[in-house]
Amino acid sequence: GEDVEQSLFLSVREGDSSVINCTYTDSSSTYLYWYKQEPGAGLQLLTYIFSNMDMKQDQRLTVLLNKKDKHLSLRIADTQTGDSAIYFCAESIRRVSGTYKYIFGTGTRLKVLA
Amino acid sequence: KAGVTQTPRYLIKTRGQQVTLSCSPISGHRSVSWYQQTPGQGLQFLFEYFSETQRNKGNFPGRFSGRQFSNSRSEMNVSTLELGDSALYLCASSVPGTAGGYTFGSGTRLTVV
Repeated sequence: GEDVEQSLFLSVREGDSSVINCTYTDSSSTYLYWYKQEPGAGLQLLTYIFSNMDMKQDQRLTVLLNKKDKHLSLRIADTQTGDSAIYFCAESIRRVSGTYKYIFGTGTRLKVLA
Repeated sequence: KAGVTQTPRYLIKTRGQQVTLSCSPISGHRSVSWYQQTPGQGLQFLFEYFSETQRNKGNFPGRFSGRQFSNSRSEMNVSTLELGDSALYLCASSVPGTAGGYTFGSGTRLTVV
């Protein structure tokens, strides 16, 4: 089956690191993504990782992928109040037709306390 | 370059009415997908269009339909609106056959009263 799970809430203090976790069930995923959604806005692609990679770093963002456990995490270093948002994990699965199917998690609401 | 543009941003409709939402993708993005976002169900895939053809469809009733024009712009239509159709409708464009992810619009907030 295809399912992506995330915890619903995370609260951290400004300046601390945030770690948002995600587990997925489909081992045929090609890429895994992290999106950010701010109030009243659509989803913004933050970063993505190819399924044969273990880690990807992009400025304050670090993505870790454990393919054996089907676990993906997003670490935000030096978390700022502007990072408060909902974060979605997603995986893409290539269909036979060549198009990609995207499965989104339920989203983790990150609240950064000043 | 311009992002994905969705119009209108907000809509209030009455039960039984029909509604049309519009999406203009990023220039060069020929694939357009639509999602319904609600607090209870999260992001639910509606359909995907490429080259004016519906390529994939989610599990929504036939009241939900869409189309894509030759310039890649897309519209979705919901007929006989129900209270449960109240949601944020998100359009996303992408380059077909690649896995670079979606670029989302800001969405249309539909409220059915």
